[in-house]
Amino acid sequence: KQEVTQIPAALSVPEGENLVLNCSFTDSAIYNLQWFRQDPGKGLTSLLLIQSSQREQTSGRLNASLDKSSGRSTLYIAASQPGDSATYLCAVYGNQFYFGTGTSLTVIP
Amino acid sequence: DGGITQSPKYLFRKEGQNVTLSCEQNLNHDAMYWYRQDPGQGLRLIYYSQIVNDFQKGDIAEGYSVSREKKESFPLTVTSAQKNPTAFYLCASSASGRAREQFFGPGTRLTVL
Repeated sequence: KQEVTQIPAALSVPEGENLVLNCSFTDSAIYNLQWFRQDPGKGLTSLLLIQSSQREQTSGRLNASLDKSSGRSTLYIAASQPGDSATYLCAVYGNQFYFGTGTSLTVIP
Repeated sequence: DGGITQSPKYLFRKEGQNVTLSCEQNLNHDAMYWYRQDPGQGLRLIYYSQIVNDFQKGDIAEGYSVSREKKESFPLTVTSAQKNPTAFYLCASSASGRAREQFFGPGTRLTVL
């Protein structure tokens, strides 16, 4: 069964810092990987979707990479802002969606 | 605006009661999903449906039931057989096929009194 791991579970950074969130998965037979943001008590907001044939996707200050062979993805956030504080989850899709437990990010003003 | 709606936002259930959570989407997606989210755990799949009048059990289907009579709607019933139903429930939808991107509703928080 696919297992998705996100390390660290929590991260605190000062405003303006660039940061990287990590996602690893055990089965490389995936069709895509998706990064989400979740604010407390809210649903998930899709940030980026990377197809299995792609290496990276960019949206504004966010850049996500995918290395299928090593079972890893990273989400790079440039010039972090307090409004980026949230939990970030990754999910892979193979025969079904599998989610990591998330990284809780706090950006300190 | 296209999107997914869930109602109610908060729901309280007494012991022995069945309750139904609503999920509606206007994204014209074929596939719909129900997840349960507990503190410190990832999302766990309860049920999913790839097409109208068809649905499949996920990893934790016991104590839950669903129907898919319309493309837009995928209600979840939490039955009295679910022994620990207090959780945050999330509904999602996606297009079918391999390149599927999931979109989520705002969630329903269910509490057992």
